Amino acid sequence: DQQVKQNSPSLSVQEGRISILNCDYTNSMFDYFLWYKKYPAEGPTFLISISSIKDKNEDGRFTVFLNKSAKHLSLHIVPSQPGDSAVYFCAASPYAGGTSYGKLTFGQGTILTVHP
Amino acid sequence: GAGVSQSPRYKVAKRGQDVALRCDPISGHVSLFWYQQALGQGPEFLTYFQNEAQLDKSGLPSDRFFAERPEGSVSTLKIQRTQQEDSAVYLCASSPAQATNEKLFFGSGTQLSVL
Repeated sequence: DQQVKQNSPSLSVQEGRISILNCDYTNSMFDYFLWYKKYPAEGPTFLISISSIKDKNEDGRFTVFLNKSAKHLSLHIVPSQPGDSAVYFCAASPYAGGTSYGKLTFGQGTILTVHP
Repeated sequence: GAGVSQSPRYKVAKRGQDVALRCDPISGHVSLFWYQQALGQGPEFLTYFQNEAQLDKSGLPSDRFFAERPEGSVSTLKIQRTQQEDSAVYLCASSPAQATNEKLFFGSGTQLSVL
C-alpha cells in the first residue's frame, strides 16, 4: 500500500516558467511533510518542509502548499532554472516528540527537466 | 568530511554471498537511519538507531538483514546470503536530534548489485 504517491513520473518545463510537482498521501497520522531533491549518484538533499498546522511555506523560489482535507501537497518552483533538473521526492512523517521519531515515508519521485 | 559518508560506493556480489555496508554519520548526530531504494522508486525505511540502540527494525525485509551501531557512531548494514531482489541503493541518513521531524542528511548510498 503506497501511503505517499507522486503520480507524475516526469515533468518537463521551460526555463523561467513555473514547475508544479504534486504529491498525495493516505495516512491521516502524517503530520509533517518534506521535499527532497536528488541528483544522479548523490543522496537526497532536503529542500523544504511544512507542518500540518500550516498550509503554505515559502523559501526563495520554492513554495510548498498543503491541503489537509484533500491529503494533497504541491511544490512550486518559480522561476524554474536548468539547475533545478533533478528527481524530487515528497516525504511524510508522523508527529515526532517525546519518545517518538520522524520516520519518513517517501513517494516514488518525479523527474523534473528544465529546458534552457 | 562534513557529510554522511558511505562505503563502498558500489558493490557487486554473487548470489549467496554476504555483504557489509558501512555508514559514517555526521559527527555528533544522534539518529541514524537506513533506507533501501529500488530502481525507479523512492527510499524505503529499513531501520532506525538512536545512539547505539536500534529502536526500530520493522523495515528490514528478512532475517538475512542485520544492522548495528555498537558505539553510537559508525553503523554497518549486513546482508547474508544475498539474493537478486536485494539489488538496490542502500542509503544511510543521520540527524542531530533524537525525536525529530528534522531534515535528514543523506549519504550518497551504496549501490548493491547481486548477480
